Amino acid sequence: GIQVEQSPPDLILQEGANSTLRCNFSDSVNNLQWFHQNPWGQLINLFYIPSGTKQNGRLSATTVATERYSLLYISSSQTTDSGVYFCAVEDSGAGSYQLTFGKGTKLSVIP
Amino acid sequence: DVKVTQSSRYLVKRTGEKVFLECVQDMDHENMFWYRQDPGLGLRLIYFSYDVKMKEKGDIPEGYSVSREKKERFSLILESASTNQTSMYLCASSRGLQETQYFGPGTRLLVL
Repeated sequence: GIQVEQSPPDLILQEGANSTLRCNFSDSVNNLQWFHQNPWGQLINLFYIPSGTKQNGRLSATTVATERYSLLYISSSQTTDSGVYFCAVEDSGAGSYQLTFGKGTKLSVIP
Repeated sequence: DVKVTQSSRYLVKRTGEKVFLECVQDMDHENMFWYRQDPGLGLRLIYFSYDVKMKEKGDIPEGYSVSREKKERFSLILESASTNQTSMYLCASSRGLQETQYFGPGTRLLVL
């Protein structure tokens, strides 16, 4: 099946700093989503972005499907950004409509 | 806003018990999903449903079954709970199969 690798696995930032999270995938995809899981376990969808660039406030994401990676940018980080960020993809060749999740990047933003 | 609710935030059961986890969504979504999340393994799909009474196996269906009698409700059933089913269970829904998934708050299940 498709492989999804996220980097870095852990990230500690000072409040106000910027960061870039990366998601590499092993095959072509027709569905890619970024999620944030807060410390209480709630997963929130950030972006549906199989290709191109999107922005939502301090967050933006870019997927370069031909090169099989996606980037999530967090600017001016806040303590409420802490949690785990997951990338999830659907293998376009599998026909299964299943999302495969990466293992996540754990972000800690300290005051 | 889409709202996905799960019947319990925390659940403690004994080995061999039958366990029902309920999930309800209020946005008339066609598709619903059950995942489990374990440290080091991430989220893995157990089952999903693309219509009432329709279901598909995910990556790890063994030991689980599901029921979708109404569009808004998707139940996960552990026929005979075992300790290796101790996990965080997450339900999600989406309008289309390749569209944004919205997650519930999760149920932390402990099987003793």
